[in-house]
Amino acid sequence: DVKVTQSSRYLVKRTGEKVFLECVQDMDHENMFWYRQDPGLGLRLIYFSYDVKMKEKGDIPEGYSVSREKKERFSLILESASTNQTSMYLCASRDWATDTQYFGPGTRLTVL
Amino acid sequence: AQSVTQLGSHVSVSEGALVLLRCNYSSSVPPYLFWYVQYPNQGLQLLLKYTTGATLVKGINGFEAEFKKSETSFHLTKPSAHMSDAAEYFCAVSGSGGGADGLTFGKGTHLIIQP
Repeated sequence: DVKVTQSSRYLVKRTGEKVFLECVQDMDHENMFWYRQDPGLGLRLIYFSYDVKMKEKGDIPEGYSVSREKKERFSLILESASTNQTSMYLCASRDWATDTQYFGPGTRLTVL
Repeated sequence: AQSVTQLGSHVSVSEGALVLLRCNYSSSVPPYLFWYVQYPNQGLQLLLKYTTGATLVKGINGFEAEFKKSETSFHLTKPSAHMSDAAEYFCAVSGSGGGADGLTFGKGTHLIIQP
């Protein structure tokens, strides 16, 4: 079974803090993704990565950055958290052979 | 660019009744289409997908969907709803095929099952 894990299920941070969200997959997938999910808006793509040290902006990259130093790990960074970044963050990795994205359980981030 | 429209943010059906969740897409390239389900406090789980070939696709938990190119639709159905089907359902389309550039999701449909 493919497993995608995220470092925290719930996180509370203060405005201006630097926030790291970690995602790890155990299937040697090259492609990894970060989405945010908001009620009534569905999931929106923040950043994705084709492979180690590669990153591409998604639809809403402003206020975020990412890091992919190892194939299994894809980190989302909020340089200076703001209240409008309160959301559910979902990480996914893609199995190239089956064209399927596998999702982690999500991190619900609250910025006060 | 691609987009996905899911008609109805909430759909309510009786247990045992037909489930129909609507999805229309737009894509400038031949699309790959997906339906995902999300149970409370969980991540997304793939229900089914269309890539190429047969237009009627069967998935897990008795769900199926039909790709209709002429209608740009990919509606999700299940003949008989079960209480355990209550969840959020998302339709998604890929960009370059296969989702290598990420998926574009609809806004989701919350399925409510009435006893």
